[in-house]
Amino acid sequence: QKEVEQNSGPLSVPEGAIASLNCTYSDRGSQSFFWYRQYSGKSPELIMFIYSNGDKEDGRFTAQLNKASQYVSLLIRDSQPSDSATYLCAVRGAQKLVFGQGTRLTINP
Amino acid sequence: DAGVIQSPRHEVTEMGQEVTLRCKPISGHDYLFWYRQTMMRGLELLIYFNNNVPIDDSGMPEDRFSAKMPNASFSTLKIQPSEPRDSAVYFCASSPPGLGETQYFGPGTRLLVL
Repeated sequence: QKEVEQNSGPLSVPEGAIASLNCTYSDRGSQSFFWYRQYSGKSPELIMFIYSNGDKEDGRFTAQLNKASQYVSLLIRDSQPSDSATYLCAVRGAQKLVFGQGTRLTINP
Repeated sequence: DAGVIQSPRHEVTEMGQEVTLRCKPISGHDYLFWYRQTMMRGLELLIYFNNNVPIDDSGMPEDRFSAKMPNASFSTLKIQPSEPRDSAVYFCASSPPGLGETQYFGPGTRLLVL
């Protein structure tokens, strides 16, 4: 089992809809969770982090964490074509940040 | 403020040659990370430093890879000899003091080994 798992996609969502990206992790002791966005040919950039169970909102983005289920998700409301990118989930284990393979998201106008 | 700087941005070399990738972290950051990204394996952590000291090099694929951080503003990742399977994008990232969690990535070096 991989430490951090994501559906590779592609996930296709119509413009204006809600995009839902999911991630599961294996280390029950993980404390910190991150979402990075990576445009094609570019480097990853941090968009959200969450430490506590529940929801954390930042603009159109909401991160959700459920430690009991070892599950973290990212919701993007009012999706825009500019949101089309690969979204990487990252989880801090005992020593380091571990990244998932990423989910490729396409927003269709 | 300048972000993480990497050079070169692109490198094409022949199998067996030595390759040196360079990174300048953001000033004031005390963590530095080297990652490799491929379609097959995704983003993999190779090694990271804290205050110029290597902390975890368990991701370095084999002895052909080495990394150094002689001072707080410079790090190198060297591959000698290079092989075609080393072809990938290599990212350097840095993080401010703390747990090394909020990482800022450089633009990457796209390496192609023929």
